[in-house]
Amino acid sequence: GAGVSQSPSNKVTEKGKDVELRCDPISGHTALYWYRQSLGQGLEFLIYFQGNSAPDKSGLPSDRFSAERTGGSVSTLTIQRTQQEDSAVYLCASRTTGASTEAFFGQGTRLTVV
Amino acid sequence: AQTVTQSQPEMSVQEAETVTLSCTYDTSESDYYLFWYKQPPSRQMILVIRQEAYKQQNATENRFSVNFQKAAKSFSLKISDSQLGDAAMYFCAYSYQGAQKLVFGQGTRLTINP
Repeated sequence: GAGVSQSPSNKVTEKGKDVELRCDPISGHTALYWYRQSLGQGLEFLIYFQGNSAPDKSGLPSDRFSAERTGGSVSTLTIQRTQQEDSAVYLCASRTTGASTEAFFGQGTRLTVV
Repeated sequence: AQTVTQSQPEMSVQEAETVTLSCTYDTSESDYYLFWYKQPPSRQMILVIRQEAYKQQNATENRFSVNFQKAAKSFSLKISDSQLGDAAMYFCAYSYQGAQKLVFGQGTRLTINP
């Protein structure tokens, strides 16, 4: 596809369940980022991938959160034993190598934990 | 650690007038880049403008321009001739060579009054 694709668009889950959020970056983009955005708030950095490696995972809130990237492409963010405070929009972005390049964002996954 | 601060949670302006959004950042790096992103209600993040720190000239994109004050670590966005379609959350962001982590401010919600 032409842009960053995230799935699902919306996810409602019960407290305590595990969820997986998927991000398909733009082809050829080596850098991939995950952010969390609570309602009307700013972007909270979660993790950054360069290729399949994660040089910076300092933003992951707890050990319930994990992420991986395979083939230098698709990334999955997994949240185990979801809590109500995990409810937020999870945004994925990708860009080519280089700090000056534009990051392209997906539409996000709205996660609601009930 | 690199931080980005947007001190104005909300701003409003009359249509056709000019508005300036503030952003300050903290870094010890010399080679870095600054960005303004727009997030309309659709949630799709869009790059508005970017500035290379090594350039003294302020970036301009049509009605959007920046006032980059490197010594003061300030990077404000000026929107001229405001239009209803400019209503959105605006995020200031920072990235630097070597780490390529993309750090965002808390955002400013801009309302355009007709």
